[in-house]
Amino acid sequence: SSELTQDPAVSVALGQAVRVTCQGDSLRKYYASWYQQKPGQAPVLVFYGEKNRPSGIPDRFSGSSSGNTASLTITGAQAEDEADYYCNSRDSSGNHLVFGGGTKLTVL
Amino acid sequence: QVQLQQWGAGLLKPSETLSLTCAVNGGSFSGYYWSWIRQPPGKGLEWVGEINHSGISNYNPSLKSRVTISVDTSKHQFSLRLSSVTAADTAVYYCARGLRGVVVTTLDYWGQGTLATVSS
Repeated sequence: SSELTQDPAVSVALGQAVRVTCQGDSLRKYYASWYQQKPGQAPVLVFYGEKNRPSGIPDRFSGSSSGNTASLTITGAQAEDEADYYCNSRDSSGNHLVFGGGTKLTVL
Repeated sequence: QVQLQQWGAGLLKPSETLSLTCAVNGGSFSGYYWSWIRQPPGKGLEWVGEINHSGISNYNPSLKSRVTISVDTSKHQFSLRLSSVTAADTAVYYCARGLRGVVVTTLDYWGQGTLATVSS
């Protein structure tokens, strides 16, 4: 079982904002990273840490953290944002990485 | 431009050992943790383990007894061996580069993935 918990599925209307959340005790100590995965493809890093967006990732992707919850917000969701989203961080011991179970985002 | 190219046997029988290698092209090899992650068909991502250029490794506790990750710094390669495989080990295996900071660890570059199928 994952030490990070994500909602299995979330939907958003085209052009609207959506928040994908990730909960876990280790998030009180460590920031999360967020990955987008489309069918048949390797995951792609879209946001990490307090405020880091990799080069080439649209600025509609942003992240935040409060207490034991990390969030990925997509402001103005596009059809191409439909994908699975995974969070990850170190576990509470700091010695291992853990992933959330993933959230399937549907853009309506 | 950093690229991770991975390869290894795709079809194994139960009890055999899975062996995969990942070559890193571009960028520095030291200063990072090099990870293996797997994804069973239709399921989520599972971290397998990591190693740095000095050979310091960490493994997923649920797999630790069967996993060995090694590194060849001269070739900028790292490898995964998973022993005594069963059907439950059938998955796409990814290699990835890990940036490890004090309060964040992220996987910023990924290999293309290799499907390993365990079947008798």
